[in-house]
Amino acid sequence: GESVGLHLPTLSVQEGDNSIINCAYSNSASDYFIWYKQESGKGPQFIIDIRSNMDKRQGQRVTVLLNKTVKHLSLQIAATQPGDSAVYFCAENPETSYDKVIFGPGTSLSVIP
Amino acid sequence: DAGITQSPRHKVTETGTPVTLRCHQTENHRYMYWYRQDPGHGLRLIHYSYGVKDTDKGEVSDGYSVSRSKTEDFLLTLESATSSQTSVYFCAISDPMDIQYFGAGTRLSVL
Repeated sequence: GESVGLHLPTLSVQEGDNSIINCAYSNSASDYFIWYKQESGKGPQFIIDIRSNMDKRQGQRVTVLLNKTVKHLSLQIAATQPGDSAVYFCAENPETSYDKVIFGPGTSLSVIP
Repeated sequence: DAGITQSPRHKVTETGTPVTLRCHQTENHRYMYWYRQDPGHGLRLIHYSYGVKDTDKGEVSDGYSVSRSKTEDFLLTLESATSSQTSVYFCAISDPMDIQYFGAGTRLSVL
């Protein structure tokens, strides 16, 4: 499949444990954030989003936390499963301008069975 | 992949040859985007379109052109491919102020 990155930060987690993936964003004017999951050979897949007027948002087994003070975003995956193994990256959208969406380089999550 | 088809999925070409990548959507989304993805970089925007015949440049547009003659099709052309354009190319679609959905990608190798 397509290579998505050779020198990505890597997180290894035991199956069943919780995973926390972190992302530092760059623009204090960013008001919309998205987490994507990218499996080998596939395109990025939307997981969850959050707007800057929120600190936390929960989905199915995933939670995103936003700390605007330190410009930090995290993705928490509960009860991590082998199918969660992928590259995860955050995207920030300053002022909802389409040509200014900034994607992070990603973190590779490896789930140990 | 959210009703997005990219073609071809893989292509090998020689330096100096023209290459066209196609993105086709069945979702009737207004916005379409072309990104490239390289090791050590996040997705980088090449060009995007906000309607038929309406396009604009992204961060890394040099050496690329695009066309959108129909809502469902967005073409990316490398007029004269160079080795630095070896990459994985992704098409994305969205409605205004909404999430971008991505295709499966095209792996392009320029020898």
